[in-house]
Amino acid sequence: AQSVTQPDIHITVSEGASLELRCNYSYGATPYLFWYVQSPGQGLQLLLKYFSGDTLVQGIKGFEAEFKRSQSSFNLRKPSVHWSDAAEYFCAVGAFYNQGGKLIFGQGTELSVKP
Amino acid sequence: EAQVTQNPRYLITVTGKKLTVTCSQNMNHEYMSWYRQDPGLGLRQIYYSMNVEVTDKGDVPEGYKVSRKEKRNFPLILESPSPNQTSLYFCASSPHSVEQETQYFGPGTRLLVL
Repeated sequence: AQSVTQPDIHITVSEGASLELRCNYSYGATPYLFWYVQSPGQGLQLLLKYFSGDTLVQGIKGFEAEFKRSQSSFNLRKPSVHWSDAAEYFCAVGAFYNQGGKLIFGQGTELSVKP
Repeated sequence: EAQVTQNPRYLITVTGKKLTVTCSQNMNHEYMSWYRQDPGLGLRQIYYSMNVEVTDKGDVPEGYKVSRKEKRNFPLILESPSPNQTSLYFCASSPHSVEQETQYFGPGTRLLVL
């Protein structure tokens, strides 16, 4: 079955520290992968996406993600976290073909930032 | 400004009282979708629409209805809400239903059914 797993429900990092949020997927075909961020009381904003080509993808707000097919992973990274990065982060795989155009989401990782 | 809007943003209702959550996009997108977000479960698709008058069930359609009479609007209807429909609802749209396209999300509607 197609699925996305985010193993960490909640992560706390200090401001200025590096960040890595984990994402593993299970999908039979070539995956189309996304990271979204949801700030408190806000909708979901796309951070970055991977479709093909370079496996290191740059996104907005200084985020990047690396696609590793051998590990079925698409981890999100940021070298130096800012207090405004505190939010919930969702990894998703696009299951469009014959499946209603939906995104399959992980459970989300809540990020807290310590001063 | 290109956006997806939802109304209302917050709603408290009682069991059995019919309600409609509206969704509108101004980007001329063909594809629209509704998701619900529950703690520990991420977002799950309720219904989707490939174009006007074309709708179909997602993963969790029970208790919901939708319609797509105009390209820009995709309302979500709860004919007889129950407490297990208490959730955060998101509408999304994209130009087409292909893998490469980004889905744009509305701000969410938080629903409490008593």
